[in-house]
Order: sequence, then C-alpha cells, then structure tokens
Amino acid sequence: EAGVAQSPRYKIIEKRQSVAFWCNPISGHATLYWYQQILGQGPKLLIQFQNNGVVDDSQLPKDRFSAERLKGVDSTLKIQPAKLEDSAVYLCASSFGTETKPQHFGDGTRLSIL
Amino acid sequence: GDSVTQMEGPVTLSEEAFLTINCTYTATGYPSLFWYVQYPGEGLQLLLKATKADDKGSNKGFEATYRKETTSFHLEKGSVQVSDSAVYFCAPYSSASKIIFGSGTRLSIRP
Repeated sequence: EAGVAQSPRYKIIEKRQSVAFWCNPISGHATLYWYQQILGQGPKLLIQFQNNGVVDDSQLPKDRFSAERLKGVDSTLKIQPAKLEDSAVYLCASSFGTETKPQHFGDGTRLSIL
Repeated sequence: GDSVTQMEGPVTLSEEAFLTINCTYTATGYPSLFWYVQYPGEGLQLLLKATKADDKGSNKGFEATYRKETTSFHLEKGSVQVSDSAVYFCAPYSSASKIIFGSGTRLSIRP
C-alpha cells in the first residue's frame, strides 16, 4: 500500500515569512496527525483530525499555525509568520484512530528559518 | 498527566552485542505500548507493539514485553547489527492522553 505522502521534503524561509506543508494520508485512514519534531527530541503533537473535524489542537500555537483537512483526506499545515523557533521537522501521520492501531508516518518536511 | 521516560543516549555498541533500551511510563488505565524507530532522514516507523499486560511484541529480532506491575516496556535485541543504527522512541497510547513519545534513544552500532 502507498504510504503517507508529504511535501516538500525541505524548506528554507526567512523569519516572518509564511510556509505551507501538505500531507496525503494512507487511503482509508480516518485519523490524521501533524507533529513537530525539534532536533534531538521526540515528536510533539500539534493537531489531530478525525475525518475533517479537529479532535485535539491543544498544543497548536494558534496565533501563527493553522491546519485544515478539507474533505477528510489530505491536509495542509501553515505557519504565518514563521519564527526562528519553528525550525524543526514537521511530520504527518495517519491511522485508523484506535488505541491498538499504530500510526504511519511520512518522511517529514525539514523547515529551516533564517 | 501521562508521561514516558526512556534511556538517554547516545548508546554505542559493537556489532553482535546485546541491546537493552529502558522505557517506563505513567498512564491512566492501560495504554497500548509502541516502539517506533527513525532511520536517518526518514519518518518514524512502527517497530513493535503490545496492547495488553504480559503481551510480547517482536519484530526484526527486537522484543519488548508489556510489564504492568513495573509500568515498563524495555526494548531488547540479542545481537545488534550496523543496520540497527537509528533513533528509537517508546510511545504509550491511551484514549485519554493520546500518544506520547519519549525523547528518543540514539543507537550507534560499530562494525
């Protein structure tokens, strides 16, 4: 089966610019997650969707980050304006959404803020 | 709230050595337990899982047993290979707290 697709793989922008990431989950997976992984740390959940509804966005910095999952399939995560501390790898994952089913991750987008 | 603590790295071993990476967690109820592995430049991949007490997850020669009494899920492998060099994440997952990733343990294997 096709895995989770993310693009772009790399992005370099200057602070205060905006950036968007795209994710296409595994077909049939109702749950989609966006994570931020800072170098040397484990992934931190930013937002979780169930179909096209938000289940958890408690750790999403809503003053600058936004995400949507129109039609309950692919998703975009946007940062506007970017700050230096946003430099990280942004990982998308999808799953069937139950405790016993694992999440499947994309390769991530590495974001560098200059 | 729920949390996970895993062995700090980096861990450096010679090929064919025995590996243990410790993981303990605190959680409400009985979470499912996962180990994920991240190879350089890639996203996380599921390595193994256990969904109830005393279950043993295994894959690629790695094993981990769900120990409810000690709230632990230690990862072991009897003979590591250079290709096992990666970062390993322990991750409990409960419906209450969602999934929580440990800080990761970087493993380097010398030929």
